[in-house]
Formats: sequence, structure tokens, C-alpha cells
Amino acid sequence: NAGVTQTPKFQVLKTGQSMTLQCAQDMNHEYMSWYRQDPGMGLRLIHYSVGAGITDQGEVPNGYNVSRSTTEDFPLRLLSAAPSQTSVYFCASTGRTAPYEQYFGPGTRLTVT
Amino acid sequence: GEDVEQSLFLSVREGDSSVINCTYTDSSSTYLYWYKQEPGAGLQLLTYIFSNMDMKQDQRLTVLLNKKDKHLSLRIADTQTGDSAIYFCAETPVDYNKLIFGAGTRLAVHP
Repeated sequence: NAGVTQTPKFQVLKTGQSMTLQCAQDMNHEYMSWYRQDPGMGLRLIHYSVGAGITDQGEVPNGYNVSRSTTEDFPLRLLSAAPSQTSVYFCASTGRTAPYEQYFGPGTRLTVT
Repeated sequence: GEDVEQSLFLSVREGDSSVINCTYTDSSSTYLYWYKQEPGAGLQLLTYIFSNMDMKQDQRLTVLLNKKDKHLSLRIADTQTGDSAIYFCAETPVDYNKLIFGAGTRLAVHP
């Protein structure tokens, strides 16, 4: 199993550009999430999905869109990048049984200039 | 709303014990977790405790939970340089998909 994979690993965008961060998992997990990690703030939930076709907002959803057309994939789209979106982005999928461990991808480091 | 707090930095000598503390506000928490993040990597589950337990031991790791004070701690015995990382406390309420993380404690182990 590859677990949770994310691409790209690094990305630099100009303000106003759009892009999609890719996330895939091969563990057949229904729950998937996107977090952003900023220094001194831990991880904050952006969007999450409880299954194909179902998504919902987390704590900091503004400026981001998600879709879930398959169980495996959960891409995160930045609509119009802003410097405030400079961060490290993590995708995670949640195990089906207790203790409902979240499996994290390696992260995408995004810089918006 | 839900909140998880932890100190940001801890420095210990190799071979000593490390204790990382965490407080949380959500009394409906079901599981509480400790995740470890090594430089340049994602988070990995280190250990967890169910909310009806007081203590859990797993090799060098001891988790203590005080539900009355909403306080969680992680003790690492015989701390090694390989334990240097950021440790995140996290809790999950009823919705297991929504983890609430603390800001992370950076553990530095020196000789």
C-alpha cells in the first residue's frame, strides 16, 4: 500500500493564480480531510469528505474548493491564490475502525508571492 | 468551541524522561491522540487513549488522562535523539473525521 500520496511536494504561485493539490489514498477509507499547517498554530481543518460525492467545510474553508468523485481521490483547489495561503498542506484519510487513526500524506509546501 | 492547548517547546537531556502536557476543552471527546511529526514529514500516530481510561502504557510511552481537569500528558522514558520532533495533541469529538489539534510541542533532545 502506498497509503496517502500528495502531489506536488513543493509549489510556488503568484497571487491570483489557481492550482489543484492532488491527494489519493489506496486504503479504501471513506473519510478524507485537508489541513493546513502554519507555525505556532497546529493543523487547521480546511475541508473534509465522508464519502464519494459528499464534502463539507472545516474551520478555514475560504479560498478553497474540494470535490470527491471517487473514494480514492480528494483534490484541493485554490481558486485565486493569496499570500495568506502560504502554508504546508496535508491530506489525511481516516481508518474505519477504532481508534480511527488519521493517515497523513507527506504534505505540499506552497508559497504564494 | 473546541480548543486544545500545549506548550510550544521542550528541551531535555538524552536519557532523561520527557513530559509533554496538553489541555482540551471539549468534554465530549472520545479519543485523544498524540501524533509525531519529524522534519519535512507528515504526522504519524504515536499513541492514543480512549476517554474512559486514565492511563495507557506502550513501551517507552505513558499517556495519562485526567478527565476532570481535561488534561492529557505524554511521558517518554529514556528520551533519545531520535525522539526529537514536534508532538501534537489532538482530540476527536463524536465526529471521528474532525480532529482538533494543538499547536504542537517541539521536543529537542541534547547530549
